[in-house]
Amino acid sequence: GAVVSQHPSRVICKSGTSVKIECRSLDFQATTMFWYRQFPKQSLMLMATSNEGSKATYEQGVEKDKFLINHASLTLSTLTVTSAHPEDSSFYICSARDQGQHYEQYFGPGTRLTVT
Amino acid sequence: RKEVEQDPGPFNVPEGATVAFNCTYSNSASQSFFWYRQDCRKEPKLLMSVYSSGNEDGRFTAQLNRASQYISLLIRDSKLSDSATYLCVVNLGSTGRRALTFGSGTRLQVQP
Repeated sequence: GAVVSQHPSRVICKSGTSVKIECRSLDFQATTMFWYRQFPKQSLMLMATSNEGSKATYEQGVEKDKFLINHASLTLSTLTVTSAHPEDSSFYICSARDQGQHYEQYFGPGTRLTVT
Repeated sequence: RKEVEQDPGPFNVPEGATVAFNCTYSNSASQSFFWYRQDCRKEPKLLMSVYSSGNEDGRFTAQLNRASQYISLLIRDSKLSDSATYLCVVNLGSTGRRALTFGSGTRLQVQP
């Protein structure tokens, strides 16, 4: 299957700082990438849809000024958590669509963010 | 009502057993269906797409019933390595621009 990478895999930061997470499609081009968040023992929740060359589409309840998304190329999308707070501690996962028949989406390995 | 509903389990089965998971979805306009597997503290990995005619991949068989808005996954001859959370996933759109909608997952524990 297609490969999606994420960096960093784990980050610990202090409250009030900003953290940037990168999502890359390694062997295919992705016009659309998705950012999810998963709290312990809960399902993945979509945060936003990242479209190459245009503004991201945010889900209801997700603050676009807090979670900045940039999709500047067909292989890279970034999520910046600004002014992080402990309640932002979570598992952040990106996915990218491969142009298969059924539009399978492949996930990056995730970034575990801990805000102290 | 949740868009995608699954029994959370856990399903505790012995090695070699056959186990079946079910899933229902609420939006009749859903276009694509998948089963993903997620290991603890890892990202979801695509297990298989679910086709209207049903499909099989080794020990795994997936079926779709559009009339009942129901998806199933059957695992035969369970292995210890099958222990994971199985996510029923639906794509509402007919293009890849729509994100996936995840069920909360069914946890499987295969015991020796």
